[in-house]
Amino acid sequence: NAGVTQTPKFQVLKTGQSMTLQCAQDMNHEYMSWYRQDPGMGLRLIHYSVGAGITDQGEVPNGYNVSRSTTEDFPLRLLSAAPSQTSVYFCASSYMGDTQYFGPGTRLTVL
Amino acid sequence: AQTVTQSQPEMSVQEAETVTLSCTYDTSENNYYLFWYKQPPSRQMILVIRQEAYKQQNATENRFSVNFQKAAKSFSLKISDSQLGDTAMYFCASHTNAGKSTFGDGTTLTVKP
Repeated sequence: NAGVTQTPKFQVLKTGQSMTLQCAQDMNHEYMSWYRQDPGMGLRLIHYSVGAGITDQGEVPNGYNVSRSTTEDFPLRLLSAAPSQTSVYFCASSYMGDTQYFGPGTRLTVL
Repeated sequence: AQTVTQSQPEMSVQEAETVTLSCTYDTSENNYYLFWYKQPPSRQMILVIRQEAYKQQNATENRFSVNFQKAAKSFSLKISDSQLGDTAMYFCASHTNAGKSTFGDGTTLTVKP
């Protein structure tokens, strides 16, 4: 039982590049979320999903896209990377909004 | 809209003593959960304690307990017999059945030997 996995662990991009952060869970959780954590701050919700085919925007969705074609996977796409998107990104899953299980995070730097 | 406020950016406590971290929240949802998560330097988010909002009884988990005041929208965390391993950033969070979650900005706790 791997829990929540994220890849890659580290990534450096140039301004304007696009990329996809991968997230997968094997706990059969319907709810999944993406957060970003800037230095010294809490987690801010980017996008979330309450089941396959259903996604919604969180607090800071601009510049990011998501899709949920399966229960297990919830990828986050950066369309055109900007230095303001330098952050640590966490994916999490939960059963019906209860305790969230977090992945180890992806540290993204945009130059 | 949901908000979560942690008014203590930093706190410190002597080993073996007790410390209380404060959290207030606001939500228009009827069904929600409240949590305290711990984030050590490894950055891994670890559940400390959870509270179901419809339960009046305060949650406890070994040395950790909460004081949940629903009418005042207050959810403080008490750590008893503090240990060096409790040094971390602590986040208060609100999760709803609708899927949205809101986190506070965190309190950095240092346990001193």
